[in-house]
Amino acid sequence: QVQLVESGGGVVQPGRSLRLSCAAAGFTFRSFGMHWVRQAPGKGLEWVAVMSYDGRNKFYADSVEGRFTISRDNSRNTLYLEMNSLRAEDTAIYYCVKGYSHGSDYWGQGTLVTVSS
Amino acid sequence: IVMTQTPRSLSVTPGQPASISCKSSESLLHSDGKTCLYWYLQKPGQSPQLLIHEVSSRFSGVPDRFSGSGSGTDFTLKISRVEAEDVGIYYCMQGRHRWTFGQGTKVEIK
Repeated sequence: QVQLVESGGGVVQPGRSLRLSCAAAGFTFRSFGMHWVRQAPGKGLEWVAVMSYDGRNKFYADSVEGRFTISRDNSRNTLYLEMNSLRAEDTAIYYCVKGYSHGSDYWGQGTLVTVSS
Repeated sequence: IVMTQTPRSLSVTPGQPASISCKSSESLLHSDGKTCLYWYLQKPGQSPQLLIHEVSSRFSGVPDRFSGSGSGTDFTLKISRVEAEDVGIYYCMQGRHRWTFGQGTKVEIK
């Protein structure tokens, strides 16, 4: 079955960096676009970034453009999110999400990122 | 594209129906002919799970008491007979241009 396992979250000071990883299994990773979606504590869902199946195209939410970088390694079935210049408002659970048509079908369990001094 | 869900919360007696509305600020009809409206349920302490894709298609394993309808900018999720396991927050999402989510509708059991 499809498995998406995020890692790399933790507590980080404002202005610092963090790299999230998502290990995928149970499907042909290289055939699907992949997304990151975040959820601040007690809040709703916010789309963060998407990368096409082949890595050629990527798009970002305005709130993270220029600070976050999405990437993937299809040989390792892994998706990444490099987060720089972190702010308090970036505190959230970050979900790795498999693309499906124009939406998604499977979500990981998420990894918590806390930006605090 | 802004997604607006109503109501924000719903308290339902088991066995009774429930309905959630979702309105988009622009048409969700994609140039490929698909209408890019999705419904998700986030159960307490869990990540969101797909219920309905492209307005009305139930995802694999989703009970047939869940149904979706609508077109253009107005959409509805209906639960024909609410069960205890249906509690959580329901989100609509548009996928026509990037992704944006509705604010969520919290469903609880009376």
